[in-house]
Amino acid sequence: GDSVTQMEGPVTLSEEAFLTINCTYTATGYPSLFWYVQYPGEGLQLLLKATKADDKGSNKGFEATYRKETTSFHLEKGSVQVSDSAVYFCALSESGGGADGLTFGKGTHLIIQP
Amino acid sequence: KAGVTQTPRYLIKTRGQQVTLSCSPISGHRSVSWYQQTPGQGLQFLFEYFSETQRNKGNFPGRFSGRQFSNSRSEMNVSTLELGDSALYLCASSLAAGGPEKLFFGSGTQLSVL
Repeated sequence: GDSVTQMEGPVTLSEEAFLTINCTYTATGYPSLFWYVQYPGEGLQLLLKATKADDKGSNKGFEATYRKETTSFHLEKGSVQVSDSAVYFCALSESGGGADGLTFGKGTHLIIQP
Repeated sequence: KAGVTQTPRYLIKTRGQQVTLSCSPISGHRSVSWYQQTPGQGLQFLFEYFSETQRNKGNFPGRFSGRQFSNSRSEMNVSTLELGDSALYLCASSLAAGGPEKLFFGSGTQLSVL
């Protein structure tokens, strides 16, 4: 079945540091890929998405590129802020409407220190 | 526009009891999905409802059930609670069925089984 693997952390960085959170996936079809963010005490929010190979999703300074050849969708940000502290989830949905819902990674807890 | 509302926010139950969780989707959204979030298993898809019909179901035992009403509000029920059912239960709504790109999540119901 489908699966998503991501570094679990916690990942601790200083403010203004460069961020990379690795995400790799296995899927039988041609999935859409997502990054969700969960702030303390809140539900998940869609951060960015990519629906086909070589697409780049971006939002709030975060970027991720859909790499079919390496089955990866790594999240990057050039300069993190304390407000970026949260749990980040990589997820996939098989094409055709995601009949089995989203498949999530375990989440990466990001801590940004001032 | 109000977001996805889940009630109650916290629940404490004992083994063997049953529990009902409620989810009110964003106004106009007709699809409701449920996910279970635990530290060990991460986020797992439970089921999705659209227009009062269950579209698909994840790999959970029959103790987990749900329904959707004509106003799109949804409830999920867990019978004969086990310790392992302790989790954050997240509800997400979208305009159309099978549309993971447009999912909006609630803050969840934290269930503790003693």
